[in-house]
Amino acid sequence: SQQGEEDPQALSIQEGENATMNCSYKTSINNLQWYRQNSGRGLVHLILIRSNEREKHSGRLRVTLDTSKKSSSLLITASRAADTASYFCATDERGYSTLTFGKGTMLLVSP
Amino acid sequence: DGGITQSPKYLFRKEGQNVTLSCEQNLNHDAMYWYRQDPGQGLRLIYYSQIVNDFQKGDIAEGYSVSREKKESFPLTVTSAQKNPTAFYLCASSIFPGTANSNQPQHFGDGTRLSIL
Repeated sequence: SQQGEEDPQALSIQEGENATMNCSYKTSINNLQWYRQNSGRGLVHLILIRSNEREKHSGRLRVTLDTSKKSSSLLITASRAADTASYFCATDERGYSTLTFGKGTMLLVSP
Repeated sequence: DGGITQSPKYLFRKEGQNVTLSCEQNLNHDAMYWYRQDPGQGLRLIYYSQIVNDFQKGDIAEGYSVSREKKESFPLTVTSAQKNPTAFYLCASSIFPGTANSNQPQHFGDGTRLSIL
């Protein structure tokens, strides 16, 4: 199956810095979603951006979507140690019934 | 509080044994999903169900079975035919896309970690 690909696979930063993660996908989509997963836990939905939107904000999160390049980015501003987690993008590349998840970016924020 | 409950948190399987993972939700969601996650990997879809008494195979359904007799419940059985069952299993639910034809956010349980004895 086709999957979104996150980049980088791992990212290590200091508290207060910004973290940027990228996601690429292969076919047309209706929307793209970002999720967060703390170690050993389930995923938590962060934000959904529709194909006709270019940018969306939620608190310290900023998501962009470029459908011409089939890519999205997630920016976390002023990161905190509590932001340490894996972040996944998910698309509806295979239709609206299911989501296709990428392999994720592991973010480590050091105090 | 509404949410999804998966049990047990840890499960061990012996050779040749079937085991069943429980997933219950009280979010009144129509759609439910089972995923498998291996270390350092993304989620792979095993089965999904959009309405009661109906379910569809995902990408890796071989060696697994499900039932959807109630809206709230979507148990997953890992059969002895699944030769490499060691993984982290996640259940999720969502509002059915319906006429919007647009995927909805999925709500996840906290997973069941299955290991082989």
